[in-house]
Amino acid sequence: NAGVTQTPKFQVLKTGQSMTLQCAQDMNHNSMYWYRQDPGMGLRLIYYSASEGTTDKGEVPNGYNVSRLNKREFSLRLESAAPSQTSVYFCASNPTGSITEAFFGQGTRLTVV
Amino acid sequence: GNSVTQMEGPVTLSEEAFLTINCTYTATGYPSLFWYVQYPGEGLQLLLKATKADDKGSNKGFEATYRKETTSFHLEKGSVQVSDSAVYFCALAPGQAGTALIFGKGTTLSVSS
Repeated sequence: NAGVTQTPKFQVLKTGQSMTLQCAQDMNHNSMYWYRQDPGMGLRLIYYSASEGTTDKGEVPNGYNVSRLNKREFSLRLESAAPSQTSVYFCASNPTGSITEAFFGQGTRLTVV
Repeated sequence: GNSVTQMEGPVTLSEEAFLTINCTYTATGYPSLFWYVQYPGEGLQLLLKATKADDKGSNKGFEATYRKETTSFHLEKGSVQVSDSAVYFCALAPGQAGTALIFGKGTTLSVSS
């Protein structure tokens, strides 16, 4: 069972570079999420997509864009990376929005130098 | 608004000690509550959940009871093991479709033999 798959697992960027974090789920879930995890801050929501075709900002959206490519895939793009975006990024999904638990990917550890 | 507050860590215990990690919440409506666990280098896994007041979630010897009167969902385990060392997150699902899970900041548990 693949569940939620994130790529890449690790990435180092230089300030100003761009990149896209990929996320795919094979559970036919409607809702998908991007969180970032920083020491002492817990998980903070960047963007989410309640269903295919919709996206909404979370708590910390600045500097990021997202695309819900189809029901399976939800990508996160950093247009011009900054050191403050050094973090561990998690993608998650669940079937019907907030009513049920979410399933998480293994994370992408991003370092911006 | 909706929020989750959990006790600061780290929590350091000896094997077979009793564990309590406090979690309180603020929510409008009728939220569901969750505990997630994150082992080193991994993503988050659902540990247990409760979807309505007075429900008790349990898994792997851990328990938590949804207390609406005290807006709490404290995690307990009677006898911890070294393998329980991890970061524990309390989370809230607001109960409105189209919204995302809200997480506490996490509590690091370290168990020594």
